Amino acid sequence: GQQLNQSPQSMFIQEGEDVSMNCTSSSIFNTWLWYKQDPGEGPVLLIALYKAGELTSNGRLTAQFGITRKDSFLNISASIPSDVGIYFCAGFTMEYGNKLVFGAGTILRVKS
Amino acid sequence: NAGVTQTPKFQVLKTGQSMTLQCAQDMNHNSMYWYRQDPGMGLRLIYYSASEGTTDKGEVPNGYNVSRLNKREFSLRLESAAPSQTSVYFCASSVGGGGGYTFGSGTRLTVV
Repeated sequence: GQQLNQSPQSMFIQEGEDVSMNCTSSSIFNTWLWYKQDPGEGPVLLIALYKAGELTSNGRLTAQFGITRKDSFLNISASIPSDVGIYFCAGFTMEYGNKLVFGAGTILRVKS
Repeated sequence: NAGVTQTPKFQVLKTGQSMTLQCAQDMNHNSMYWYRQDPGMGLRLIYYSASEGTTDKGEVPNGYNVSRLNKREFSLRLESAAPSQTSVYFCASSVGGGGGYTFGSGTRLTVV
């Protein structure tokens, strides 16, 4: 079953606002990944994190690998209309045989 | 630069019909995967192939079979489609060893 708890489930924000979403688990992860899915497309990798405490940026996106190795955060600064989509956290954990496991996703809608 | 190619993009089946979803990657990746995406449930692994010549069950394998035809191609077969298999199916590939996955654009399947 689902091993990653992703929140919030959805958010509707004003253009220009900052956005935060997170993923937590009871399992220890050795890699965290954040994907974005546009309507009608497959998920595309945004950021990969490989070390506890790691903070990595990709343009306006910043993600962190939690110190406990059981959580990760994604922040989007100054949101724009093209940020709409579904954001998935995903990770590798030995408890799942090192196959990628996904959160349920955060649906982001932006008001222009 | 095709990446991962899935066919068909859309399909409607009657209950009990069979069909095969095709997937091919041109990145020389070792591992390939089939996921299904349902609202509010993220992506769930159906089957995977860690390397050419091997296949293994994922989280939700019942009602499906797979074939790793060669290093490039990994097909998913529904022998007797059921309405519960209405979903969006994604194929993905990776180099293996904990690297990020590259996804195709999906097949939207409706079983009536």
